[in-house]
Amino acid sequence: GQQVMQIPQYQHVQEGEDFTTYCNSSTTLSNIQWYKQRPGGHPVFLIQLVKSGEVKKQKRLTFQFGEAKKNSSLHITATQTTDVGTYFCAGGDNNNDMRFGAGTRLTVKP
Amino acid sequence: DGGITQSPKYLFRKEGQNVTLSCEQNLNHDAMYWYRQDPGQGLRLIYYSQIVNDFQKGDIAEGYSVSREKKESFPLTVTSAQKNPTAFYLCASSKVPGYEQYFGPGTRLTVT
Repeated sequence: GQQVMQIPQYQHVQEGEDFTTYCNSSTTLSNIQWYKQRPGGHPVFLIQLVKSGEVKKQKRLTFQFGEAKKNSSLHITATQTTDVGTYFCAGGDNNNDMRFGAGTRLTVKP
Repeated sequence: DGGITQSPKYLFRKEGQNVTLSCEQNLNHDAMYWYRQDPGQGLRLIYYSQIVNDFQKGDIAEGYSVSREKKESFPLTVTSAQKNPTAFYLCASSKVPGYEQYFGPGTRLTVT
């Protein structure tokens, strides 16, 4: 089955620094979704990308889908303490079966 | 007030016992999913259902069973055959497969 690899596993930043997490697939994806899970909480949907080369922004968050639709990234500009949590990507295949990456846990030092 | 609910929040069982985790949604979603999350780990798919009366095994289905008799409900049974059942279990639903998933609050199962 398809696998989605996500790096890094952990990232610790100083408040105000930028943060990026990367998601890679060995197969072409039909779409990619991003979720955020706060400590002690459940994953919450952030965004979905479907087009090759697509870029979407949500305030300080920028999401990209690679030209080959095999990779994606989430970039946060000027992190805040409220950004703390684990960020997951989920890649979909042609059958719309979604598989989650292992997640990147972000901690932010005030 | 629409959403997806899981109960109970915490569950304790003795080894060798089967236990059923509840998942209910009133979002009128066709697809439902069960995931297992271990500390510091990602979400691993146990079972999913794209429509009532149909379900498929995910990546780690061994030792688990499900049913989908109603659109709103997708209970998960953790059987005694599951070798390491202690984990955080998350249920999710989506309007159709491939759409955004809405997660329940999760059930933390401890088996001793």
